[in-house]
Amino acid sequence: ETGVTQTPRHLVMGMTNKKSLKCEQHLGHNAMYWYKQSAKKPLELMFVYNFKEQTENNSVPSRFSPECPNSSHLFLHLHTLQPEDSALYLCASSQDLGGGGGEQYFGPGTRLTVT
Amino acid sequence: ELKVEQNPLFLSMQEGKNYTIYCNYSTTSDRLYWYRQDPGKSLESLFVLLSNGAVKQEGRLMASLDTKARLSTLHITAAVHDLSATYFCAVTNYGGATNKLIFGTGTLLAVQP
Repeated sequence: ETGVTQTPRHLVMGMTNKKSLKCEQHLGHNAMYWYKQSAKKPLELMFVYNFKEQTENNSVPSRFSPECPNSSHLFLHLHTLQPEDSALYLCASSQDLGGGGGEQYFGPGTRLTVT
Repeated sequence: ELKVEQNPLFLSMQEGKNYTIYCNYSTTSDRLYWYRQDPGKSLESLFVLLSNGAVKQEGRLMASLDTKARLSTLHITAAVHDLSATYFCAVTNYGGATNKLIFGTGTLLAVQP
């Protein structure tokens, strides 16, 4: 595997379900990100991790729970979601944080539908 | 708060024509990115612009940055159908501790034969 991978690619879940999204980067980067992309809206940054530590939580509801066990893996645990949470969830990584951190590399995304 | 605006939001153009997508941002920033997204796919990095007056070209696409005007342009020359996609600009918050990208709303480009 190369670059940034995400699984699953598609997920349909009920509002009472619990599921997890997985992201893995094979680039040796230290920073990882979760974004939400809804129809007709700009990408929204959700969480940022640097060296496994969370550095940004962009006022995300607690029904989204991130986990970063190491610099290569990032999870997004989902529970009691709402239909408006249906979106494309993108993971990204960069070498590190700060202005010199470089560009972010994105995974293919998970298309989430909440029924 | 840094805001990024793109226009147009939708662009339908014929093959062989030239056009420009504009990206304005509201506060000082030290770098600007252009990404391409095909339907159902992820974002692909096209250009990174790091300084005032920076110009980068790849094939039929050319990006430029004017930090004084807080404006970047993505110019398409002699469009071909393969360029059909959504194009996003993104700006890094200046001097921030986190490499936080603020994205524009995107421009959906449809190149017609």
